[in-house]
Amino acid sequence: DAGVIQSPRHEVTEMGQEVTLRCKPISGHDYLFWYRQTMMRGLELLIYFNNNVPIDDSGMPEDRFSAKMPNASFSTLKIQPSEPRDSAVYFCASRPSGAVDTGELFFGEGSRLTVL
Amino acid sequence: GNSVTQMEGPVTLSEEAFLTINCTYTATGYPSLFWYVQYPGEGLQLLLKATKADDKGSNKGFEATYRKETTSFHLEKGSVQVSDSAVYFCALKPGTALIFGKGTTLSVSS
Repeated sequence: DAGVIQSPRHEVTEMGQEVTLRCKPISGHDYLFWYRQTMMRGLELLIYFNNNVPIDDSGMPEDRFSAKMPNASFSTLKIQPSEPRDSAVYFCASRPSGAVDTGELFFGEGSRLTVL
Repeated sequence: GNSVTQMEGPVTLSEEAFLTINCTYTATGYPSLFWYVQYPGEGLQLLLKATKADDKGSNKGFEATYRKETTSFHLEKGSVQVSDSAVYFCALKPGTALIFGKGTTLSVSS
């Protein structure tokens, strides 16, 4: 079975440019999470969705960040305009709900963003 | 609020040494506790978990016991291998999302 798929794996862009990160969760998983990993702050939850609906976006750093989940198999995280301090690895993770939920999150391999 | 505190790394050990990575948490209620591992260039993978007090999670020679009285979930392994070199994250699940510690880098040399 395919795991969580993220793209791009690496992105290098210049300050001010728009960045879009993409995620395809595991089929059948109702929950989708976006995390950001930096050396200084570790792994921070940005936002999560349940059945394509954003439930908690309190971790989104500011209005430059937005996330969408137009359907059960696709989500995007957009940064516009990007800044050097946005440089990080962005992870997407998914999880099922109900009886099969063990609490385990299934992570993608991450998108490494560098903003120059 | 809910939070996880892990020991600062990096932890550097020789092969076959004993490993302990400390993790304490602050939470309301009785959260599930997890250890995740991240190998270089990869996403996080579940290593082990415990869902209630005194539960012991174990996997691949690693163990951790949910200690409610000390709010701890320390990770241990009796004999580490070079292949255990990775970043280890302690996490708690007070509700829907996981809250992670900052991670502890383990480097094992032969």
